[in-house]
Amino acid sequence: QSVLAQPPSVSGAPGQRVTISCTGSSSNIGTDYGVHWYQQLPGTAPKLLIFDNSNRPSGVPDRFSGSRSGTSASLAISGLQAEDEADYYCQSYDNSLSAVFGGGTKLTVL
Amino acid sequence: QVQLQESGPGLVKPSETLSLTCTVSGGSISSYYWSWIRQPAGKGLEWIGRIHSSGTTNYNPSLKSQFSMSVDRSTNQLSLRLSSVTAADTAVYYCAKYSGSYFSYFDSWGQGTLVTVSS
Repeated sequence: QSVLAQPPSVSGAPGQRVTISCTGSSSNIGTDYGVHWYQQLPGTAPKLLIFDNSNRPSGVPDRFSGSRSGTSASLAISGLQAEDEADYYCQSYDNSLSAVFGGGTKLTVL
Repeated sequence: QVQLQESGPGLVKPSETLSLTCTVSGGSISSYYWSWIRQPAGKGLEWIGRIHSSGTTNYNPSLKSQFSMSVDRSTNQLSLRLSSVTAADTAVYYCAKYSGSYFSYFDSWGQGTLVTVSS
């Protein structure tokens, strides 16, 4: 069981907007460590998508956005495209100084 | 941007010791933190631990203390050793680079190496 809770799956039609939640606690997301998001396309390694709650690395489309409030965070994907079909993971740190991940959310583009 | 490449035996017998290497190219291993992360087939990511280029390590307290990480600055390589492996250790193992500080994000990942524990 993962420290951070994510919905196992979400889906949306092309062009729609979807959000993926990441729920933690006061010992991880509720701290100031920040939340990061990774996209894992089928058969590939994870790739950084959002860092420090809401920042996009160079090259990541602005269709992807992140936010954090209290002990939760969320990833929003607008203008859904077929190429967005992937697994998405949130990550933060906890009071044991360990990196913790969410269980992952599979995004299906209908 | 640095590139990371994991390598390992692929298949290991139960109770044996697994050794993996991560070769870093396109940049120096020095002054950064590095991590090993594993992913069983069809499951999520599990952080194994972090190591600084100086050799300082931190391990996931939720895992048994069977992991050992090291760094070789002369060859720009990281190593992971896992003793007394069981089937539960079957996974893809990734090495990843921290962007900066102790609590930062992973900005570069290797392609991963599949380790299967089976007799």
